[in-house]
Amino acid sequence: QKEVEQNSGPLSVPEGAIASLNCTYSDRGSQSFFWYRQYSGKSPELIMFIYSNGDKEDGRFTAQLNKASQYVSLLIRDSQPSDSATYLCAVGGEGTSYGKLTFGQGTILTVHP
Amino acid sequence: GAVVSQHPSRVICKSGTSVKIECRSLDFQATTMFWYRQFPKKSLMLMATSNEGSKATYEQGVEKDKFLINHASLTLSTLTVTSAHPEDSSFYICSVTSVDTQYFGPGTRLTVL
Repeated sequence: QKEVEQNSGPLSVPEGAIASLNCTYSDRGSQSFFWYRQYSGKSPELIMFIYSNGDKEDGRFTAQLNKASQYVSLLIRDSQPSDSATYLCAVGGEGTSYGKLTFGQGTILTVHP
Repeated sequence: GAVVSQHPSRVICKSGTSVKIECRSLDFQATTMFWYRQFPKKSLMLMATSNEGSKATYEQGVEKDKFLINHASLTLSTLTVTSAHPEDSSFYICSVTSVDTQYFGPGTRLTVL
């Protein structure tokens, strides 16, 4: 059974700090990795996706992937109160399994002013 | 703008009735769509893969006769919850694959009384 584990929260950081979110996955065949943000009562919205080992940066967000360690992380720089949400790590396969995502349980992030 | 739409956004029904949820891909044709379910304070769980022009494929533990999926066109998939019961109350979300990532619809919150 494919499993995706996220570091237990909730995580609380002050405004302007770096928030670090971590995720491990069990299926070595996983090929695609996603970070979604979900506000209460809303659908997940895509923050970033990463497919290759290393770092990928987009504005204040940096995703890091290490397939050998089966580890993916998300760094949020200059955290803002509006970043307060639940962050979901999702892992997908390849080929016909590409769009079938397995989600972690989510990490609740609170950014306090 | 939105890539995926869902209708209705919220529905309340009596136990034993059937409810149809529509998922539309707005920006592109989608031969495959996915249906997820999210219970309160839980993460998303994949229910089934909707395939245009053919039968849906269901994840283990999901009753295909209870959750009927029809993908009659390249932009529309419908999920019908038949003979709904209170335990079916959940947040139902569809997703669509676009090039290299997944987009989620806004979700449909089903409450069965």
